[in-house]
Amino acid sequence: DGGITQSPKYLFRKEGQNVTLSCEQNLNHDAMYWYRQDPGQGLRLIYYSQIVNDFQKGDIAEGYSVSREKKESFPLTVTSAQKNPTAFYLCASRKGGTNLIMNTEAFFGQGTRLTVV
Amino acid sequence: KQEVTQIPAALSVPEGENLVLNCSFTDSAIYNLQWFRQDPGKGLTSLLLIQSSQREQTSGRLNASLDKSSGRSTLYIAASQPGDSATYLCAVSKREAQKLVFGQGTRLTINP
Repeated sequence: DGGITQSPKYLFRKEGQNVTLSCEQNLNHDAMYWYRQDPGQGLRLIYYSQIVNDFQKGDIAEGYSVSREKKESFPLTVTSAQKNPTAFYLCASRKGGTNLIMNTEAFFGQGTRLTVV
Repeated sequence: KQEVTQIPAALSVPEGENLVLNCSFTDSAIYNLQWFRQDPGKGLTSLLLIQSSQREQTSGRLNASLDKSSGRSTLYIAASQPGDSATYLCAVSKREAQKLVFGQGTRLTINP
């Protein structure tokens, strides 16, 4: 089945540790996104990528890093510089691309819940 | 800066009622608007996508409308069922950079 797979479902991070969240899609989508969801704050954009080997900061990129070496993969690293990383992280994709035709549907993975211990 | 607001934040209705969820946005220069459903602890499921040139979209018991000039969208749910209980989010695609901007959602409870 086509879709977006996020792993792991639950992740625990110790203070000062970097962790990487995986996001893989087999929808042949060009654009991929990472969002963070906190109670009462809705979804906030961390990073997004329109094509391979290119990505842009979203609204809350500090303390996070990404790579886009393959079209189907967009991993997110939560670094030790992120002071409040406990949250629910959601990855999304859509057909998009560098053209400006935006009328495509976005699809989401099932999320990764990150907790600092 | 585009802002998206959803009212009410929470809604509880008896089973079988028809209901309307509201979404408003400040910048009418959008490409499209999408409605999602989110169950507790889960990801988002796409319900309906309305292009900027469209006025409404329908899928089963769901109907979404879009009025760009007034910056409003509504999601109409007919004959509500307990299985419709979830948080409903709307999101608009901004003109630049393919960003999706989300509202904070409406938490819907359908009581049997």
